[in-house]
Formats: sequence, structure tokens, C-alpha cells
Amino acid sequence: QVQLQQWGAGLLKPSETLSLTCAVYGGSFSGYYWSWIRQPPGKGLEWIGEINHSGSTNYNPSLKSRVTISVDTSKNQFSLKLSSVTAADTAVYYCARGRVAATPDYYYYYMDVWGKGTTVTVSS
Amino acid sequence: SSELTQDPAVSVALGQTVRITCQGDSLRSYYASWYQQKPGQAPVLVIYGKNNRPSGIPDRFSGSSSGNTASLTITGAQAEDEADYYCNSRDSSGNRYVVFGGGTKLTVL
Repeated sequence: QVQLQQWGAGLLKPSETLSLTCAVYGGSFSGYYWSWIRQPPGKGLEWIGEINHSGSTNYNPSLKSRVTISVDTSKNQFSLKLSSVTAADTAVYYCARGRVAATPDYYYYYMDVWGKGTTVTVSS
Repeated sequence: SSELTQDPAVSVALGQTVRITCQGDSLRSYYASWYQQKPGQAPVLVIYGKNNRPSGIPDRFSGSSSGNTASLTITGAQAEDEADYYCNSRDSSGNRYVVFGGGTKLTVL
């Protein structure tokens, strides 16, 4: 059974860089999209970006200028860096595995495995 | 457009049927996936594809789609179904982004 274990600093000061890592255990790294999602207190889910095993990335346009997602296939890990954080970046950050499939008429995309989440607080 | 729109809150009487909807242009090309999130927990996938349930998800959860609207139906809602529900797909214009709906808070009365 695939599990995602995530870690990183939980308390940052404004202007610092958020850094989180997610390790994939018990399954293949290739053939999937590996995403970061965040959830500010009391609010909904926001997709940050994704990477595949070959290192191809997609980012949320609203965060693209500050986000870098990288992969280390030798360790089955992927990482998130978010620069110049402010209080608005305070959130629970999740990593997740995404899959794309297709039928003759439709595509479908889903995230079937999630990490437990890391609470990140930005405060001076 | 890459937005998915959900009603903020829905309520259902215990044992009754409830439908949670999600609207967006991307749903004309993508089936929505649906996630259940309880307080303090990570989201859990409950429906994906045309109407597929991951292992362990009760069969009272089902999904459907028509045009730009996807629906999650809970037939015979239980107290433990009270949670936030989010829909999700990829953006159909270029397929480079992932989008979530704003979430629906389900209250079981």
C-alpha cells in the first residue's frame, strides 16, 4: 500500500523560504503526477503545483513566480519550495499522488493517496 | 475558465438522500473526482472517473455527470458522512492545471 510521508519546517518568518519534502513508500514513482496542495485555516483546498517522475512541472499561475517543485527519483521523493512567504501562506500543506486516465469520451484525474499534512505558520 | 463552483453548504436528514453539485467548463471534458474531508484530517478520495469508488468507500456514495455539472450523491446519509466535500479536475484548456471546487459543508441532521 502506497504511503506518503511529508516533513519540513513548521514556523517561518516573513520573507523566508518554505521547504517541504514528501517521500513515497510502497509504490512506483513513475506514471503519476506528484502534487502539493495547501489549505489555509478555515478555507478550501488550493493546488500549488505538480511534478512527474521525469521532472516536468506545472504550477498554479497565482503562485508560479514563487514556487519550485523538484524530484529526486533515487530517493522516491519530491519537494516544494515557496519563496518570500507572508502570513497569507499560513496553511496546512499536503502532498498527494495524482493519476490521469481516459475513456473514449472523457478524461479523468484524481488524487488517490495523500500525505497527512504539515502545518506551516508564517509569523514575525 | 479553470473554476469549479460548489454550493457552500448542504444539509440532509439522517437516512435520506443528498446530492452535492459541482459546475465548471472543465467538466465537459473531465469527470470530476470527489474528496471527503473531516476536521483535522487529510482529504480522502470517495469517487473518481464516471462512477468509481476506491476500496473501502461505502456504496452509498455515487457520482454522475451531465454537461458542465458533476454530482456526488449519498443515498441513505449517515452521521459519519458529515464533512466537507470537494470536487476536482484538471483544466481542460491546455490540461496544465489542477482545479478544486470551493467545497461543500454537509450537515447530517
